[in-house]
Amino acid sequence: EDKVVQSPLSLVVHEGDTVTLNCSYEVTNFRSLLWYKQEKKAPTFLFMLTSSGIEKKSGRLSSILDKKELSSILNITATQTGDSAIYLCAVEARSQGNLIFGKGTKLSVKP
Amino acid sequence: DTGVSQNPRHKITKRGQNVTFRCDPISEHNRLYWYRQTLGQGPEFLTYFQNEAQLEKSRLLSDRFSAERPKGSFSTLEIQRTEQGDSAMYLCASSRTSSVIGYTFGSGTRLTVV
Repeated sequence: EDKVVQSPLSLVVHEGDTVTLNCSYEVTNFRSLLWYKQEKKAPTFLFMLTSSGIEKKSGRLSSILDKKELSSILNITATQTGDSAIYLCAVEARSQGNLIFGKGTKLSVKP
Repeated sequence: DTGVSQNPRHKITKRGQNVTFRCDPISEHNRLYWYRQTLGQGPEFLTYFQNEAQLEKSRLLSDRFSAERPKGSFSTLEIQRTEQGDSAMYLCASSRTSSVIGYTFGSGTRLTVV
C-alpha cells in the first residue's frame, strides 16, 4: 500500500531557529512530491519536486528530493511566528492526480 | 476568479441526518477532487471527477457517501445517515487535466456530527 511518512509530527522552536522537516515515501509509479502549508483551512502550495537533487527555493524556505532514498526535506531558515502551521507532504503516485498525504508536521514558532 | 469555493464552511448535524456539501472549482479546471481530513491526519483522498465523469472512488467512500458533478461544473458530496465518525474537514480541490501543477484546495467544510 502506498504511504507517506513525515517526521517529526510536531516541533516547537524559537524565532530565528532553522528547522528541517522530513518526508519519506513508499509508492508505486512515483510522479512528484509536493509540500503544502496548512494554517487553519486550505493547504497552500509551497513546492513541487520531480527531479532528484535539484533544490527548490522560495525566500527562507527550500526543499530537495532524494529519489534514491525515497525522501524529501523542507528547510525553513530564520523562522518567524508566521511560519507556525502544519506542513504537509504529498506524493502523486499515478497519473490521476490524486495525492497521498502524510500526517503532517505541526510547527510552532515561539517569539 | 476567486479560487475553489466550498459551502457551507461549517455544518453541525445530528447523527442519522443527511448532509450535502458543495464545491465550486476554478472555472477552467476540469478535474475536481474530494478529500477528508480528520484531526491530526493529512487529507485522505475520497473521489475525483474529470468533467462530469466520476473516475475513481476510494474504499473510504462507503455506500452512505455519494458525489456528483452535473454538467462538469460544481460538485456535491452527500453523506446519508451521518455517524459521529464522519466528523471531519471535507476538502475539495481542482486542477487543469491530471497535472498537479495549479492544484488548488478550497477552504473546506467542517462537519460535526453530534
